[in-house]
Amino acid sequence: GENVEQHPSTLSVQEGDSAVIKCTYSDSASNYFPWYKQELGKRPQLIIDIRSNVGEKKDQRIAVTLNKTAKHFSLHITETQPEDSAVYFCANPRPSGGYQKVTFGTGTKLQVIP
Amino acid sequence: KAGVTQTPRYLIKTRGQQVTLSCSPISGHRSVSWYQQTPGQGLQFLFEYFSETQRNKGNFPGRFSGRQFSNSRSEMNVSTLELGDSALYLCASSPGLAGGGTDTQYFGPGTRLTVL
Repeated sequence: GENVEQHPSTLSVQEGDSAVIKCTYSDSASNYFPWYKQELGKRPQLIIDIRSNVGEKKDQRIAVTLNKTAKHFSLHITETQPEDSAVYFCANPRPSGGYQKVTFGTGTKLQVIP
Repeated sequence: KAGVTQTPRYLIKTRGQQVTLSCSPISGHRSVSWYQQTPGQGLQFLFEYFSETQRNKGNFPGRFSGRQFSNSRSEMNVSTLELGDSALYLCASSPGLAGGGTDTQYFGPGTRLTVL
């Protein structure tokens, strides 16, 4: 399967609060789970990724958790700031005939209200 | 290393015309993927090239085509443009050697195509 479901599609939080975005995938062969941030008018940029041999990875205010049994991974942003406002995409690269195919989630528009 | 670059950054065309977009990957990267981004459809995969060969293809009509050169630079062509082709076209490069689905993709700034 190639489906990647991302929720929510929009998220508004007060500055300082936490934000959580979740993606569910279907291909159990998936081993790598990156998250991208796209600010208005700019390119998607990799912000954090996790490989299947760990359950959580942190980088300052952002973290990603992975539940391979349930086939979902989540992006957590703590102490949100206005500059966190952007669209966030999860991606699901997976093996395909010796190479890889990548499917992106539909995106979550995060608005951090000052 | 220099990042992924795309030219042109903006393009305005009329229906029925054709367009060619260019992408230069990060030095050493051999895989280039193309995506169409629209507000309603998110990031839609077009195709991927590796060592001058198309490895994967998305669900787009034959009007969308591409190629890759020996220096890994890639071009995408859209013929007989339609209004619905208006979008941001992004390319992404990666080393392209991870058969296990663990390659990280790095995006270019995109080409904004407007079809009138």
